[in-house]
Amino acid sequence: EIVLTQSPGTLSLSPGERATLSCRASQSVRSSYLAWYQQKPGQAPRLLIYGASSRATGIPDRFSGSGSGTDFTLSISRLEPEDFAVYYCQQYVSSAPTFGQGTKVEIE
Amino acid sequence: EVQLLESGGGLVQPGGSLRLSCAASGFTFTSYSMGWVRQAPGKGLEWVSLISGRGTTIYYADSVKGRFTISRDNSKNTLYLQMNSLRAEDTALYYCAKESASCGGDCYALLDYWGQGTLVTVSS
Repeated sequence: EIVLTQSPGTLSLSPGERATLSCRASQSVRSSYLAWYQQKPGQAPRLLIYGASSRATGIPDRFSGSGSGTDFTLSISRLEPEDFAVYYCQQYVSSAPTFGQGTKVEIE
Repeated sequence: EVQLLESGGGLVQPGGSLRLSCAASGFTFTSYSMGWVRQAPGKGLEWVSLISGRGTTIYYADSVKGRFTISRDNSKNTLYLQMNSLRAEDTALYYCAKESASCGGDCYALLDYWGQGTLVTVSS
């Protein structure tokens, strides 16, 4: 099983600031099959990024993903009020997909 | 517009059974793998199971293997999850989700549309 470790657990920032979230895999994620999801309270997760760096349909360009191998990053260039949420990374390269434990981005 | 509507959740005693359903619309159901993901109260996401478009290929998380059965009825555009031998640790919100077309034949459970979930509580 590929274990994904996200850091930090909580990120306290202000609107307009840049957010940088990390996801580290216990083994290399082939073909960069790494996705990021956003989840707001009481809502289902929403796909943001797939293939480590491709934005899903309708996702604003302030969201960007990067990385390969075992180290991946989600960046939000300028936080909007609606971006405060929990973010999960997920590997979908194996027949046992796994999620990270999540990073909460909260208003400072 | 893609819509996924889960149903069938509820309160069940340990050792009991429950069948979840997910009614899909707005896309060609048979063309996509479908999956279930669960989220225990206040916790993160856990992938549960995945089934191919024709239902011929199925995967399970180790935590549910041998107890849960995923299936689909393509004539009814409906996905199912039969849950047997339920345990307290199965208590969670269960989401139905559609696999993205960006997930080719060599990847698993890149999920681009999700339902709102149905709550399963296992307690005596």
